[in-house]
Amino acid sequence: DAKTTQPPSMDCAEGRAANLPCNHSTISGNEYVYWYRQIHSQGPQYIIHGLKNNETNEMASLIITEDRKSSTLILPHATLRDTAVYYCIVRVLNQAGTALIFGKGTTLSVSS
Amino acid sequence: EAGVTQFPSHSVIEKGQTVTLRCDPISGHDNLYWYRRVMGKEIKFLLHFVKESKQDESGMPNNRFLAERTGGTYSTLKVQPAELEDSGVYFCASSPVGQGARDTEAFFGQGTRLTVV
Repeated sequence: DAKTTQPPSMDCAEGRAANLPCNHSTISGNEYVYWYRQIHSQGPQYIIHGLKNNETNEMASLIITEDRKSSTLILPHATLRDTAVYYCIVRVLNQAGTALIFGKGTTLSVSS
Repeated sequence: EAGVTQFPSHSVIEKGQTVTLRCDPISGHDNLYWYRRVMGKEIKFLLHFVKESKQDESGMPNNRFLAERTGGTYSTLKVQPAELEDSGVYFCASSPVGQGARDTEAFFGQGTRLTVV
């Protein structure tokens, strides 16, 4: 079962920041927070991941609370193409690789 | 660089028939994963290969599903005999092994949409 809780849906106006919350109150010390998204029927796409520090890349920013029990994915300037299902996943990172356990995710709808 | 390739993109078969799905991972990626999304449900993990070895097959639904990865390159997922509830989208993903924190991003294929009628 997924170890995260996300709102089922969110709306965002084009050009505005989209802030997607995620609760992971039972996260372990060696688990990372990952975000993926699935646009329509395409394969899931990696967005960003982090352990305890805030992270930023060309796609998004990830804000993790100090106690690591929750996080927020920020899309700074949402576009229509960002409409997708966003998944927050906690995962142990090891050299052999581990599977991603997907929950229900948040359906983000970006409108003009 | 080519991404993860899955074939076929769509397959419609009758109940009781056999179907084989294929996944070509990104070259050099030793991790290969199969996932499935049944309509209206969440994406579910099926199994994980490291090279040609099955690292974790805890998500395989039953013995009608057989996955192979001979030679540690491409992988096949065979469903025999297919049942109606096997309909869904089957995703394959790959990632590199042994690079510590760089073994982070799993690259997904576009999926195979299987319809059993």
